[in-house]
Amino acid sequence: AQTVTQSQPEMSVQEAETVTLSCTYDTSESDYYLFWYKQPPSRQMILVIRQEAYKQQNATENRFSVNFQKAAKSFSLKISDSQLGDAAMYFCAYRSGRDDKIIFGKGTRLHILP
Amino acid sequence: DGGITQSPKYLFRKEGQNVTLSCEQNLNHDAMYWYRQDPGQGLRLIYYSQIVNDFQKGDIAEGYSVSREKKESFPLTVTSAQKNPTAFYLCASLGRVNQPQHFGDGTRLSIL
Repeated sequence: AQTVTQSQPEMSVQEAETVTLSCTYDTSESDYYLFWYKQPPSRQMILVIRQEAYKQQNATENRFSVNFQKAAKSFSLKISDSQLGDAAMYFCAYRSGRDDKIIFGKGTRLHILP
Repeated sequence: DGGITQSPKYLFRKEGQNVTLSCEQNLNHDAMYWYRQDPGQGLRLIYYSQIVNDFQKGDIAEGYSVSREKKESFPLTVTSAQKNPTAFYLCASLGRVNQPQHFGDGTRLSIL
């Protein structure tokens, strides 16, 4: 069975600095997708960034980028120029390309220090 | 606008009762999901369904049941066998292959 592990329950970063959130996963599949979601206090789930496993190029969305290391099964999220609005829970998610099963890690709560 | 509607927003259950959480989507998505969220546990998959009249157990299916009689609807029943049902429940749907999930606003279930 697939698993997703986020080893940092909480992190803090100074406003305008850069922070990296870790995510590792375990799977025997070759076809899958990876996602980072943000959950603010409103509990709304907001997509931050996604990565197809077959793509070697790391995904980037404005201040958000990933470091996808397929062999190491690692999918970290880098947030540059951190802003107060980035404070939230961040979840890493794995989607199976075989049966659409989607599982999440336990999340990392990110605090932004003014 | 298309989206996912979960109802009710808050739900209270008495001991020994079954309760049903509603999830409806008008996105024409084939796949639908139910997750449970507890503090420090992230989102845990309860059940998911790829097509009508078919569904699969997730990681924590015990004490829950689902049905998928219509593409638009995927109700979740929390049975009396679920001994610790107090949690936040999220429903999601999935469309095309490389697209992300769409989520509802959630239902908060509490025990009286």
